[in-house]
Amino acid sequence: NAGVTQTPKFRILKIGQSMTLQCTQDMNHNYMYWYRQDPGMGLKLIYYSVGAGITDKGEVPNGYNVSRSTTEDFPLRLELAAPSQTSVYFCASSYSYRGSTGELFFGEGSRLTVL
Amino acid sequence: AQTVTQSQPEMSVQEAETVTLSCTYDTSESDYYLFWYKQPPSRQMILVIRQEAYKQQNATENRFSVNFQKAAKSFSLKISDSQLGDAAMYFCAYRSARRSTGNQFYFGTGTSLTVIP
Repeated sequence: NAGVTQTPKFRILKIGQSMTLQCTQDMNHNYMYWYRQDPGMGLKLIYYSVGAGITDKGEVPNGYNVSRSTTEDFPLRLELAAPSQTSVYFCASSYSYRGSTGELFFGEGSRLTVL
Repeated sequence: AQTVTQSQPEMSVQEAETVTLSCTYDTSESDYYLFWYKQPPSRQMILVIRQEAYKQQNATENRFSVNFQKAAKSFSLKISDSQLGDAAMYFCAYRSARRSTGNQFYFGTGTSLTVIP
């Protein structure tokens, strides 16, 4: 059981380049999320999805796009990379139903550097 | 949006001793969930313990326990018999029980725990 798998683990981008962070989960979770973690700032929600075909913005969505065509996959697209997007990115999933705690299951993180 | 505050950026504890990490949150809701996550140097986020707000009994998981004070909006984590492997960043998190919030989590800024041999 792989859980949440995100790739790549490390990436260096030049300013203005674009890339996609891949995320897949094999737990049949309905909710999926993308967070970014900056030093001393905790985790900030970028985008989330409550199910296939449904996505919504989180706290810091600017400069990012997502799609959710299947239950398993939730890629994060960075368009026109900027130094401010240098961060560690986490994909997470959860299975939420009435009465459940719905805790998050995280991928291992992707460290992105924009130079 | 709810806010979660961890007022201790860094803490240290002697091996085998007990340490308590603080967390407070701001909400007007009555039904929610609280969590503590651990992030060791490997960067992996690991669930330590969870608490449902409607439960008065404090959650316990082996050496980890919480002190949940709903009226005070406080959710502290106690680690007993601290071990070297407990050294990590610890994050407190809040999730509303309302489905209209999209199951969003709100995280504190973390407490870095050092365990001294």
